[in-house]
Amino acid sequence: KAGVTQTPRYLIKTRGQQVTLSCSPISGHRSVSWYQQTPGQGLQFLFEYFSETQRNKGNFPGRFSGRQFSNSRSEMNVSTLELGDSALYLCASSQGLAGKSETQYFGPGTRLLVL
Amino acid sequence: AQKVTQAQTEISVVEKEDVTLDCVYETRDTTYYLFWYKQPPSGELVFLIRRNSFDEQNEISGRYSWNFQKSTSSFNFTITASQVVDSAVYFCALSEAQNNFNKFYFGSGTKLNVKP
Repeated sequence: KAGVTQTPRYLIKTRGQQVTLSCSPISGHRSVSWYQQTPGQGLQFLFEYFSETQRNKGNFPGRFSGRQFSNSRSEMNVSTLELGDSALYLCASSQGLAGKSETQYFGPGTRLLVL
Repeated sequence: AQKVTQAQTEISVVEKEDVTLDCVYETRDTTYYLFWYKQPPSGELVFLIRRNSFDEQNEISGRYSWNFQKSTSSFNFTITASQVVDSAVYFCALSEAQNNFNKFYFGSGTKLNVKP
C-alpha cells in the first residue's frame, strides 16, 4: 500500500503571496490532519478533515485554511504569507478520526520557505 | 502546562550503547493513548508504537522496548545496542480519547545522535 504523499516537497514564496499544499492519504484512510513543524514551536496541530468536513482545528489564524475532497485528498492553503510561516508542513492520515486516537501515518512533508 | 514533556533535548551515544528516551505526560482522562514516532533527517515521521492507558504491559520489538508506568505518568523508550541508523528525532505523543474532538499533543522531541 502506498504511503501518504505530499506535493510539492519544497516551495519558496515571498511575503504576501499565497500557497496551496496537497496531501494524498493512504488508500482507505478517511481522515487527514495537518501539522506545522518549526524549530521554535515544534509540532503544532493545524486542523483535521474527515469526510470532507473540518472536524478539529488548532490555534492558527484564519489565513490557514484547508479542504478535503470526496476521494479524501486534502489541500491546505495559506494566504498572505508571513516570514514566520516558513516551516515543514506535515500531513497525516488515519482510518478514522485522529481525534479518536487512531494511529496517524505521516507524509514526507512540504518544506516552505517564505522570503 | 506541557501535556507531553521530553526533557532530553539531545542525546549522543556511541554505537552499541543502550539509550533510554524519557517521556512524561499529563492528563486527567482515564482513557488515553500514547505514541512514539521517529523522524529521520528526511523529515517523515515514522510510527513506532501506540499504547492505550489500560495496557501497562511493557513491549519489546527487536531492539526497541517501551516501559509504560501510569504511576509516574511515563512512557519511556529504550533502544538496545544502538546503531547509526537510529539517529533521528524521536517524538512522544498523547491523545485523549474521551471527548469527541481531540488533538494530538506532541512532545518537543529528543534528538538522538548515534556515533560509530
